[in-house]
Amino acid sequence: KAGVTQTPRYLIKTRGQQVTLSCSPISGHRSVSWYQQTPGQGLQFLFEYFSETQRNKGNFPGRFSGRQFSNSRSEMNVSTLELGDSALYLCASSTGGASYNEQFFGPGTRLTVL
Amino acid sequence: DQQVKQNSPSLSVQEGRISILNCDYTNSMFDYFLWYKKYPAEGPTFLISISSIKDKNEDGRFTVFLNKSAKHLSLHIVPSQPGDSAVYFCAASRQGGKLIFGQGTELSVKP
Repeated sequence: KAGVTQTPRYLIKTRGQQVTLSCSPISGHRSVSWYQQTPGQGLQFLFEYFSETQRNKGNFPGRFSGRQFSNSRSEMNVSTLELGDSALYLCASSTGGASYNEQFFGPGTRLTVL
Repeated sequence: DQQVKQNSPSLSVQEGRISILNCDYTNSMFDYFLWYKKYPAEGPTFLISISSIKDKNEDGRFTVFLNKSAKHLSLHIVPSQPGDSAVYFCAASRQGGKLIFGQGTELSVKP
C-alpha cells in the first residue's frame, strides 16, 4: 500500500506570494490533517478534513486555508506569505474513525519564504 | 498555551541502556496519548499509544507509562539501539479531537 505523498517536497517563495501544497492520503483513508513544524514549536495543528468537510481547526490566521476533494486528496493554501511561515508542512492521513489518532504522515513540504 | 510539553529538547544514552523520554500535559480531558518518532527528511511515524483507562502499554522494547494524577507520561526504550536515534514527539487528544503535539525530544544513542 502506498504511503502518504506530498508535493512539492521543497519550495522557495518570497514574501507576499501565495503557495499551494498538495497531499495524497493512503488509499481508503478519509481523514487528512495538516501540521506546521518549526524548531522549538513541535507540530502545530492547522486543520483536519474528513469527507471533504473541515472537521477540526487550529489557531492559525485566515491566510491558511485548505480543502479536500472527493478522492480524499487535500490541498493547503497560504496567502500573503510572511517570513515566519517558513517551516516544514506535514500532512497525515487516517481512516477517520476509531483509529483517527493513529495518523500516518507524509515526508512533508519544506517551505522557505525569503 | 502549550498543553503538551516535552521539557528536555535532547537526551543522550549509551547503547544497551534504558532511554526514558518524558512528557507532561495540562488538559485533564485528554483521553488518548501517542508517541511518534521522526527521522530527518521523513514524516513522523506512529510508535505506541495508550488510552487513559490504562497506566501502561508495552510493545517490544517500547513501553509507555501514564500517570493521570501527575498528568505525566513517559516512553521507555529498553535496550536502546543506535537506530533509535531520532526525534520523539508525544501527542494527546480528546475523543475525536485534534492531536496536540509536544515540542519533541531528540534522542541520541551512542554505540
